[in-house]
Amino acid sequence: LAKTTQPISMDSYEGQEVNITCSHNNIATNDYITWYQQFPSQGPRFIIQGYKTKVTNEVASLFIPADRKSSTLSLPRVSLSDTAVYYCLVGDVRGGGYQKVTFGTGTKLQVIP
Amino acid sequence: SAVISQKPSRDICQRGTSLTIQCQVDSQVTMMFWYRQQPGQSLTLIATANQGSEATYESGFVIDKFPISRPNLTFSTLTVSNMSPEDSSIYLCSVEVDREATEAFFGQGTRLTVV
Repeated sequence: LAKTTQPISMDSYEGQEVNITCSHNNIATNDYITWYQQFPSQGPRFIIQGYKTKVTNEVASLFIPADRKSSTLSLPRVSLSDTAVYYCLVGDVRGGGYQKVTFGTGTKLQVIP
Repeated sequence: SAVISQKPSRDICQRGTSLTIQCQVDSQVTMMFWYRQQPGQSLTLIATANQGSEATYESGFVIDKFPISRPNLTFSTLTVSNMSPEDSSIYLCSVEVDREATEAFFGQGTRLTVV
């Protein structure tokens, strides 16, 4: 299982771009990189997933360098409502893969007015 | 996608008693998972529940303490048995919609306090 390391917490002002980096040095060939967001008193919610290079959706972008040993979640122009915990997961999440994927410590993002 | 309803949303229970948490999904799903999240901590997988087979428990979790039922493709229950204050936590149900899915959906969680 690929172990992930991400900052415990980050602060950002409203309107700024936030980049959260996750290290996963022992990522395997079949592993995907998946990010989840969790608000207080709610279950995690899928944000974005990638395998290599760059992935962008309406919420975020995910940058993955060629060696795939790290990844960066980019949140453009954050607002107060983006205050949450962000989890980086690495593993082969296809077909029951969540049985083998571990949630790391997560990064608690605090957006400041 | 999948919409998951967990009941109860929260409960306060006496030590030594048991609580059964229900997880209802709005569509048929293949894999269902139960997680525990202690206050301020990350999620820990308790077990994987497939319809028609025994649940698979992770290290540190046993069937006698956390019996699970999966009677059909839309429903599962987790029972926390013989509770102690150390069982106070949030319990979350999660699903994968099909074998090709790479995204998991989570319920709102059940906040359990044991006194």
